Amino acid sequence: SQQGEEDPQALSIQEGENATMNCSYKTSINNLQWYRQNSGRGLVHLILIRSNEREKHSGRLRVTLDTSKKSSSLLITASRAADTASYFCATDRMDSSYKLIFGSGTRLLVRP
Amino acid sequence: NAGVTQTPKFQVLKTGQSMTLQCAQDMNHNSMYWYRQDPGMGLRLIYYSASEGTTDKGEVPNGYNVSRLNKREFSLRLESAAPSQTSVYFCASSEEGGAEAFFGQGTRLTVV
Repeated sequence: SQQGEEDPQALSIQEGENATMNCSYKTSINNLQWYRQNSGRGLVHLILIRSNEREKHSGRLRVTLDTSKKSSSLLITASRAADTASYFCATDRMDSSYKLIFGSGTRLLVRP
Repeated sequence: NAGVTQTPKFQVLKTGQSMTLQCAQDMNHNSMYWYRQDPGMGLRLIYYSASEGTTDKGEVPNGYNVSRLNKREFSLRLESAAPSQTSVYFCASSEEGGAEAFFGQGTRLTVV
């Protein structure tokens, strides 16, 4: 089974609203990353948060990490139609040689 | 600077045929990965290479073999293709295991 599970699976919002996506994982991690995928294309790295960090910002993105709950959230503020994409979390697990195990993703639709 | 280059972009195989997917990166990264993505799903790790000369199985390695030919190149081979291997295959690289990953544009493989 996959390490990360995103919630919700799909999200539809109006341009200008904030979008929040959540990721839960099962085992201890070194870091957690968020990626974006436009339809049919390769993934693009958005942000990396280490296990000893609680919050990180990058432009309109805000990521939080709660290692006690094994969960992370990605907030996109003031969303734009161009933010329409799928968003995935990926974890670097401590207990395995597997690196960057991805969750199932959240499909975000931003309506103009 | 091309980043991660995958060839071919599209391929149709008949059941039982073999083929090799090629991946090359020009960022001098140590770690390389092969993932598959099925429709509407997240990425599942097939194989991982922490450095030249080493490879490890991922979440779904059955039916695949890999070769880390040198630091730049990491190939994925399907010895006897099956319809269940119809998918989009992504290669990625990172400076080290678990770091920010850079993705190729994918190979869309159909096995009939």
